[in-house]
Amino acid sequence: GAGVSQSPRYKVAKRGQDVALRCDPISGHVSLFWYQQALGQGPEFLTYFQNEAQLDKSGLPSDRFFAERPEGSVSTLKIQRTQQEDSAVYLCASSLWETSNQPQHFGDGTRLSIL
Amino acid sequence: GQNIDQPTEMTATEGAIVQINCTYQTSGFNGLFWYQQHAGEAPTFLSYNVLDGLEEKGRFSSFLSRSKGYSYLLLKELQMKDSASYLCAVTPMEYGNKLVFGAGTILRVKS
Repeated sequence: GAGVSQSPRYKVAKRGQDVALRCDPISGHVSLFWYQQALGQGPEFLTYFQNEAQLDKSGLPSDRFFAERPEGSVSTLKIQRTQQEDSAVYLCASSLWETSNQPQHFGDGTRLSIL
Repeated sequence: GQNIDQPTEMTATEGAIVQINCTYQTSGFNGLFWYQQHAGEAPTFLSYNVLDGLEEKGRFSSFLSRSKGYSYLLLKELQMKDSASYLCAVTPMEYGNKLVFGAGTILRVKS
């Protein structure tokens, strides 16, 4: 069956450019998460949606980071005025319900490189 | 704050058994997940523990002690394809159901 799909798979941008990363969750999944994973580290939480509502954005590192999920399915993570420290893999995950025992299903991520 | 510790790297032989430990200190606790991540790929769900004890699933088992803040992942009959990073992750109660991950343990299986 279809899993979580992320695009693009790789993105190279110059410092100062804006980028947009897309996530297509598993159909019917209520919860959607964005994580940032630096090389050799575990994923770090960025933000969480329940349907179209952004319930937790405490992990977004600065106001340059913005996420949306307007119709409760596809989500976009936007980074404005990119900086070199934004280089990382950005992972999207979805789960069927919002309860804590639900496993999250991850996409392959977008590898972002800022030159 | 949240603190999750796992060994950085481990090496084991094909066919053997390996135990990957995880200790956590979190201000809340609602459950613990183990994920497997091959290089350049998505983390994939392995197991979930919320009660003390052992959960067995084929070649993989996971154990939890809530009172000790300790978990381990046990991999039996190791295969070369088990070479990957193994991530321990906690769902702290007060943060909803986001995952707080450890840095991961890189397991190398040698023949």
